[in-house]
Amino acid sequence: AQSVTQLDSQVPVFEEAPVELRCNYSSSVSVYLFWYVQYPNQGLQLLLKYLSGSTLVKGINGFEAEFNKSQTSFHLRKPSVHISDTAEYFCAVRVINAGNNRKLIWGLGTSLAVNP
Amino acid sequence: GAGVSQSPSNKVTEKGKDVELRCDPISGHTALYWYRQSLGQGLEFLIYFQGNSAPDKSGLPSDRFSAERTGGSVSTLTIQRTQQEDSAVYLCASSPPRYQETQYFGPGTRLLVL
Repeated sequence: AQSVTQLDSQVPVFEEAPVELRCNYSSSVSVYLFWYVQYPNQGLQLLLKYLSGSTLVKGINGFEAEFNKSQTSFHLRKPSVHISDTAEYFCAVRVINAGNNRKLIWGLGTSLAVNP
Repeated sequence: GAGVSQSPSNKVTEKGKDVELRCDPISGHTALYWYRQSLGQGLEFLIYFQGNSAPDKSGLPSDRFSAERTGGSVSTLTIQRTQQEDSAVYLCASSPPRYQETQYFGPGTRLLVL
């Protein structure tokens, strides 16, 4: 069975500092990988996704993530964070070629708190 | 254009009562998903509809939970005889026919069972 582990439940960081939010998955088959963001009192929004091709994926708001197949990781990074990046970040996977089954498997989320 | 909408945004009910949660997907989206987001437990898949195919109900936690999708558009999630552990945010998402790997989420319905 597939699972997603977000290694940090909370990440406090100062404004303009770099940040990395870690995500590891377990799957015996190929997967698609996603990062979603949930700003306070808002719905989930797609940040970026890896489907195929280049392992470095760029998303919205200056975020990027790198797919590492050998380490089964998909860590999210931003070189300089802003106060407005304060939010909950979710990593998710979907098994490729799973027939009609397109459900996402989710991590528990990482709460990013950007302090001035 | 309009995104996924859900109603009500908040629902407070008494234990044992039935509730209905509604989801209006983005127009033209053929896939629709329901998830449950509980505090400290992340998102939990409940059910998935794809066009006219039989829904994937593998995530429904008990037979008190059911969902239907009428006319390939609006969906209703029904919880019968609600329990306190049903309290959570219920999220709906939809996907377009061409880019089904991307799910667009609604704002959710926050359910509180007293």
